[in-house]
Amino acid sequence: DTGVSQDPRHKITKRGQNVTFRCDPISEHNRLYWYRQTLGQGPEFLTYFQNEAQLEKSRLLSDRFSAERPKGSFSTLEIQRTEQGDSAMYLCASSLSVRSEQFFGPGTRLTVL
Amino acid sequence: EDKVVQSPLSLVVHEGDTVTLNCSYEVTNFRSLLWYKQEKKAPTFLFMLTSSGIEKKSGRLSSILDKKELFSILNITATQTGDSAIYLCAVPLYSGGGADGLTFGKGTHLIIQP
Repeated sequence: DTGVSQDPRHKITKRGQNVTFRCDPISEHNRLYWYRQTLGQGPEFLTYFQNEAQLEKSRLLSDRFSAERPKGSFSTLEIQRTEQGDSAMYLCASSLSVRSEQFFGPGTRLTVL
Repeated sequence: EDKVVQSPLSLVVHEGDTVTLNCSYEVTNFRSLLWYKQEKKAPTFLFMLTSSGIEKKSGRLSSILDKKELFSILNITATQTGDSAIYLCAVPLYSGGGADGLTFGKGTHLIIQP
């Protein structure tokens, strides 16, 4: 399967713990995006990478959130000191160019107890 | 503030009916509008629209964009139970840094009853 993959698919954690998610984009795509989706809402943009450079961060991305894409391939999203409000589906997407469609991965569903 | 508004938020129809889903937008620097289908997983791409008045079609699904009135519609004819899903409309927001993160509407939850 050459689509976008994400790991883990589900994560349950206790409030205050740190979690890290991984995204592997489609191999030839140099643009990578992270989104967060809560129940009844469309996905909300969090951050964007072009190759290894993080070029934009939404105001939704608090200081507890950090994302990296060290070699311009896979990306990680870390949430420190998780809060119950962080419970959501975290989606990763990739695209080939600025005018092409974004393809989404299956998401990581985070539950913070 | 840039925004994307979809209507209706939910819709229940019978198999075989035709449905029309609506998406209106208010964004600066508009370049394209995208439709996605989301079942119990990630959104899957349906259409990207850039030009006004040109219909895009894929099987029983079609979509058209009106850049003057700032809206798009998604039509599904001869609906089937497999069309049950959330249909999302999105517009890329282009920043000076070259990012094009998508702004999504809340989606239309479509239920097709047998």
